[in-house]
Amino acid sequence: SQQGEEDPQALSIQEGENATMNCSYKTSINNLQWYRQNSGRGLVHLILIRSNEREKHSGRLRVTLDTSKKSSSLLITASRAADTASYFCATAARGSNYKLTFGKGTLLTVNP
Amino acid sequence: NAGVTQTPKFQVLKTGQSMTLQCAQDMNHEYMSWYRQDPGMGLRLIHYSVGAGITDQGEVPNGYNVSRSTTEDFPLRLLSAAPSQTSVYFCASSSPRAGGDTGELFFGEGSRLTVL
Repeated sequence: SQQGEEDPQALSIQEGENATMNCSYKTSINNLQWYRQNSGRGLVHLILIRSNEREKHSGRLRVTLDTSKKSSSLLITASRAADTASYFCATAARGSNYKLTFGKGTLLTVNP
Repeated sequence: NAGVTQTPKFQVLKTGQSMTLQCAQDMNHEYMSWYRQDPGMGLRLIHYSVGAGITDQGEVPNGYNVSRSTTEDFPLRLLSAAPSQTSVYFCASSSPRAGGDTGELFFGEGSRLTVL
C-alpha cells in the first residue's frame, strides 16, 4: 500500500506562475523526500525534509512539512517550461526505514 | 561518473521465459533497490539491499529474485515472466544516513520490459 499520496493528480499553469503540490501520508516518518521525473527518464531527487523540520528551501523550491496533519507541500516559484514533469513524494514509515514508498505523483505542465 | 547504470533499456519476453535486469552503481553506495512503475500506480518497491549479502523484500516481491554479491551490482531476476510483469523497472542506490534511513536515492534511467 502507498504511504504517500500527491494532490492534485495533474496541474497546468502558465510560465512564471507558482505551482503547489501536496502530499499526505499515513504513519509516522523520519523524513519526507520529493522527486521529479521527466517523461521517459529516471527520478531525480529534489529535496529531503526531516520530521523535526517545518520548512526547507532549495533554489525556487520550498517544501513544508506538518507532522501533525501528516502532510507536506512542494512549492515551485516562477515556474518555467522546463519544470514540466511528474513530481513524487516519498516516505518510509518508522520501523521500515529502508522501504521508501512513493505516491502516484502530480503531473505538472508549465505552458510557455 | 556513470552513477546508476541499467541494462537492457528495452526487452521483449514471451510468457514463461526468464531474464535478468542488470543494475550497477559506481558510487560505493551500500543501499540498492528495485522499483517497478506502472501507469496510475506510481513506483512500487520490489526488493532492496542494505549491503553485499543482505537482501529483503519490498511491497511486490513475488515473481522476482535478487542477490547482492558485490557492492556495485544488484541484478533482478524474473524467474518465469508473466504479462503482469510488463512494466518499467528502475534501480536506485543511496548511501544510508546515520539513524538508518535511505537518504537521497539515485535512479537509473529505467528498463522497459514487455511480456507477451
